[in-house]
Amino acid sequence: KAGVTQTPRYLIKTRGQQVTLSCSPISGHRSVSWYQQTPGQGLQFLFEYFSETQRNKGNFPGRFSGRQFSNSRSEMNVSTLELGDSALYLCASNPLAGSTGELFFGEGSRLTVL
Amino acid sequence: GQQLNQSPQSMFIQEGEDVSMNCTSSSIFNTWLWYKQDPGEGPVLLIALYKAGELTSNGRLTAQFGITRKDSFLNISASIPSDVGIYFCAGQPLMDSNYQLIWGAGTKLIIKP
Repeated sequence: KAGVTQTPRYLIKTRGQQVTLSCSPISGHRSVSWYQQTPGQGLQFLFEYFSETQRNKGNFPGRFSGRQFSNSRSEMNVSTLELGDSALYLCASNPLAGSTGELFFGEGSRLTVL
Repeated sequence: GQQLNQSPQSMFIQEGEDVSMNCTSSSIFNTWLWYKQDPGEGPVLLIALYKAGELTSNGRLTAQFGITRKDSFLNISASIPSDVGIYFCAGQPLMDSNYQLIWGAGTKLIIKP
């Protein structure tokens, strides 16, 4: 079956702009988690959505937000972009809520903020 | 917040060598997971561990859930070129009712030319 799909794969923005990233989970998966990956920092958890509800949130400022639609597709938005927001943003899906067990990751959206 | 210490940060190996890496935590975990990330890809689960002392293999990979529940180890035997990439450990703290994973910073495996 099709894997997790993230769009766009690459994007360049300037400081102060906002960006929206999209994630389509594996069919039948209802949980979508978002992570920020920067070199040497591992994966930093942003938030998790399950059945259109935000279930968990990491320690990121309010400029980072997300939502999930009834078909389980999810979007994340970053407003007022800063240089430090440059990173690979990964989406992961899971059939169940919570992260225990296998997360299925997409290829990521690489954001560069100039 | 909770942190995982993953070491080494990077490894330069020759093809055929065995590789070892580990993760430690200051608190008890009830799940340990090992993922691998190839360049341009998202991480893929290699091995999942759910019980203290558990030793699990996946081909040339072997991982262990430490007896203290505060550490885990991953070994790769007879490394081959496709083993290059970044290996991440991830764990779920025992006392976290949200079942949220904590991630290590990764071990980058590089094959010496």
